[in-house]
Amino acid sequence: EVQLVESGGGLVKPGGSLRLSCAASGFTFSSYSMNWVRQAPGKGLEWVSSISSSSSYIYYADSVKGRFTISRDNAKNSLYLQMNSLRAEDTAVYYCARDSHSGPTILEWGQGTLVTVSS
Amino acid sequence: QSALTQPASVSGSPGQSITISCTGTSSDVGGYNYVSWYQQHPGKAPKLMIYEVSNRPSGVSNRFSGSKSGNTASLTISGLQAEDEADYYCSSYTSSSTFYVFGTGTKVTVL
Repeated sequence: EVQLVESGGGLVKPGGSLRLSCAASGFTFSSYSMNWVRQAPGKGLEWVSSISSSSSYIYYADSVKGRFTISRDNAKNSLYLQMNSLRAEDTAVYYCARDSHSGPTILEWGQGTLVTVSS
Repeated sequence: QSALTQPASVSGSPGQSITISCTGTSSDVGGYNYVSWYQQHPGKAPKLMIYEVSNRPSGVSNRFSGSKSGNTASLTISGLQAEDEADYYCSSYTSSSTFYVFGTGTKVTVL
């Protein structure tokens, strides 16, 4: 069974930093592209970032480019999101999500971790 | 990259069929067959219902079907049931500088 477990969320002041982690199990982590998707309270889904299986290809939403960094450690079956210069509008539940092998499709999602940016 | 456009809400009675539209551009929905649909119940993670426009993952009811015409994709739920009441989001691969784009979301209400 595929499991994606996010951690690292919490309350942070504007301008602060936070690092999210996602522990993956139940599949060969090193073979799949991974994503971070967020959802502000009461709002829709917003794709944040994607990373290919070997970290060769990385993409960011314009709203986080230059502030967030996605990375992975295939030896530890883990995905990360380093978030710097946080703003109030970054407040959201952040989901870790696995891509399909056959093409750009998000297959499974973790349960999410809440990040609150507030003074 | 702007979000894909979905109706804010759609409703129907049990047993009826409803259709949710998802309108994008030739750079996303119209250009690729990588349109997905997700169901999200309150407080829960999204669940994949349709992928690559019209394919259903194992375990998803055949009451859910997808299609695409030009820059607009559609999700149809037939034989509407109370458990189908949820938020639905479309998503597409995009050739813009980003990678994925999501729809604005549609709240489905079963009357």
